[in-house]
Amino acid sequence: QKEVEQNSGPLSVPEGAIASLNCTYSDRGSQSFFWYRQYSGKSPELIMSIYSNGDKEDGRFTAQLNKASQYVSLLIRDSQPSDSATYLCAVNPPNAGNNRKLIWGLGTSLAVNP
Amino acid sequence: GAVVSQHPSRVICKSGTSVKIECRSLDFQATTMFWYRQFPKQSLMLMATSNEGSKATYEQGVEKDKFLINHASLTLSTLTVTSAHPEDSSFYICSAQGTGSLYEQYFGPGTRLTVT
Repeated sequence: QKEVEQNSGPLSVPEGAIASLNCTYSDRGSQSFFWYRQYSGKSPELIMSIYSNGDKEDGRFTAQLNKASQYVSLLIRDSQPSDSATYLCAVNPPNAGNNRKLIWGLGTSLAVNP
Repeated sequence: GAVVSQHPSRVICKSGTSVKIECRSLDFQATTMFWYRQFPKQSLMLMATSNEGSKATYEQGVEKDKFLINHASLTLSTLTVTSAHPEDSSFYICSAQGTGSLYEQYFGPGTRLTVT
């Protein structure tokens, strides 16, 4: 079982709709969760971080965390064609000691159609 | 804030030569930096974690003698690809974590290496 799982997509939504991206993780002790956006040929960009159960909103983006069910999601409201990218979910592994690396999902490709 | 630069952005080298890539945190101190590699249409692959002033921790399967990492200061880490071969052609990306961070990583723009 992969440690961080995402549906590879592509997820296709019409412009103006809500895009919902999901991520599940296997290690119950994980505490920090991140969503990154990566445009084709570019490096990842941090768009949301979440550490507590519940929702966290930032502009059109809302991250949702449910530690009991071990999933974290990202909602993008009023989706725009410029949101078309690959969205990466990343989780810190517990008991990592001095190694502060993140465990990455493979990403979900989102296409917003005008 | 949290800006990371990488240099060069693109490099073409001949097989057998070495290439050095620099990663700098411009407006924060980075105790930990990470080096990733990404092949076309594939996911990020962590190569190594480097902490300032100590030896890098390499992921399984990454040759430490081929990919030399130095993290000499809180704002600079370098990756040297030694004796490069065409199969080393890839997109190399660094990221940095600030002191006291909650694990978030900030990425540089990446270096596209082509070995001919």
